[in-house]
Amino acid sequence: GNSVTQMEGPVTLSEEAFLTINCTYTATGYPSLFWYVQYPGEGLQLLLKATKADDKGSNKGFEATYRKETTSFHLEKGSVQVSDSAVYFCALKLNYGQNFVFGPGTRLSVLP
Amino acid sequence: EAQVTQNPRYLITVTGKKLTVTCSQNMNHEYMSWYRQDPGLGLRQIYYSMNVEVTDKGDVPEGYKVSRKEKRNFPLILESPSPNQTSLYFCASSREVTSGGSDTQYFGPGTRLTVL
Repeated sequence: GNSVTQMEGPVTLSEEAFLTINCTYTATGYPSLFWYVQYPGEGLQLLLKATKADDKGSNKGFEATYRKETTSFHLEKGSVQVSDSAVYFCALKLNYGQNFVFGPGTRLSVLP
Repeated sequence: EAQVTQNPRYLITVTGKKLTVTCSQNMNHEYMSWYRQDPGLGLRQIYYSMNVEVTDKGDVPEGYKVSRKEKRNFPLILESPSPNQTSLYFCASSREVTSGGSDTQYFGPGTRLTVL
């Protein structure tokens, strides 16, 4: 079946540190890949996405590249801020009319 | 303002008492879905709908029903709630595209359900 695996959290970093959150997937086909962010007490918001191999999604200083050869979509940011503290979810969707699959989420805490 | 609304936001009920959580979107989206979020398990899709009168099971549909009689509304029905359905529920909608998977999903604010 289709699945998404993310690194275990929580991840705690100091402000301005480099962030990587690993995400790998298993899919029967070529999915679209997404990173969503959930701030405390809120619903999820799309952070970035990529729809085909070698695409790079980017937003608010975050980046992730769709790597078909390693079935990965790791999230990176060069310099995190306290306001980036949230839970980050990696997700995939295969084709038209099919369901989304989310990873378990990774909680990030950024300390001043 | 483009949004997905859910009601109620908080609900405490007892085992076996039927309940409905409403979801509505104002973006004319084809695709709507329901998720539950549980600690350590992330989001799991319950049901989704491609369009009016078209629904399909997600990963955890047992104990839930949905209907899609109008494009904007997608209620989640628990006919006989049980304590293991205590969770945080999210509704979401998106424009479905015919290639490259779906467009951005917009999430509602969540409904926290407690079943005693």
